Amino acid sequence: DQQVKQNSPSLSVQEGRISILNCDYTNSMFDYFLWYKKYPAEGPTFLISISSIKDKNEDGRFTVFLNKSAKHLSLHIVPSQPGDSAVYFCAASGSGGYQKVTFGTGTKLQVIP
Amino acid sequence: DAGVIQSPRHEVTEMGQEVTLRCKPISGHNSLFWYRQTMMRGLELLIYFNNNVPIDDSGMPEDRFSAKMPNASFSTLKIQPSEPRDSAVYFCASVSSGNTIYFGEGSWLTVV
Repeated sequence: DQQVKQNSPSLSVQEGRISILNCDYTNSMFDYFLWYKKYPAEGPTFLISISSIKDKNEDGRFTVFLNKSAKHLSLHIVPSQPGDSAVYFCAASGSGGYQKVTFGTGTKLQVIP
Repeated sequence: DAGVIQSPRHEVTEMGQEVTLRCKPISGHNSLFWYRQTMMRGLELLIYFNNNVPIDDSGMPEDRFSAKMPNASFSTLKIQPSEPRDSAVYFCASVSSGNTIYFGEGSWLTVV
């Protein structure tokens, strides 16, 4: 049972345009969400996170939006750059003490120059 | 600062052989995770250690898999006997506090 779902396995975007990566979750106990970026032959690296007390968190070109009622979050990259081409993993966890971080299956983003 | 260090980076082995993957977490991090990445299931948590003690091993697929953390700077994931369906990328990761996990570069395992 996949509690964190990334339904788009791949996405292609023109350089300079907006990339929108989507993620849905089913566990209502999740209250902390993260995005990781992974280049080929490397481990995932932390990109941005958001707590459930917020609905938006911004860091430079990257913004994460959270819609708790819909159990949906999205990552916006504006403007997209060729170096953003990677696999993006959405992840979710609860809070307090040890909380298992559950990852989605990833979305492969290709930014076309 | 050195990140999470994993070895070997690549391993090709025959079915039935024992495989041992190694991990050195970031110094000062008191939690260590082993993940497996596959196309179908993404990143799956296999086992989690806190202060060298296994806390959650519910993700370990079966008895062929075992993990140890004898001290704060070293962990192993062992598969015995290995099977072709174990072929995947195995990531070790560590965290000091909060939920931000730092991953190693992964061990690419192929069982033929």
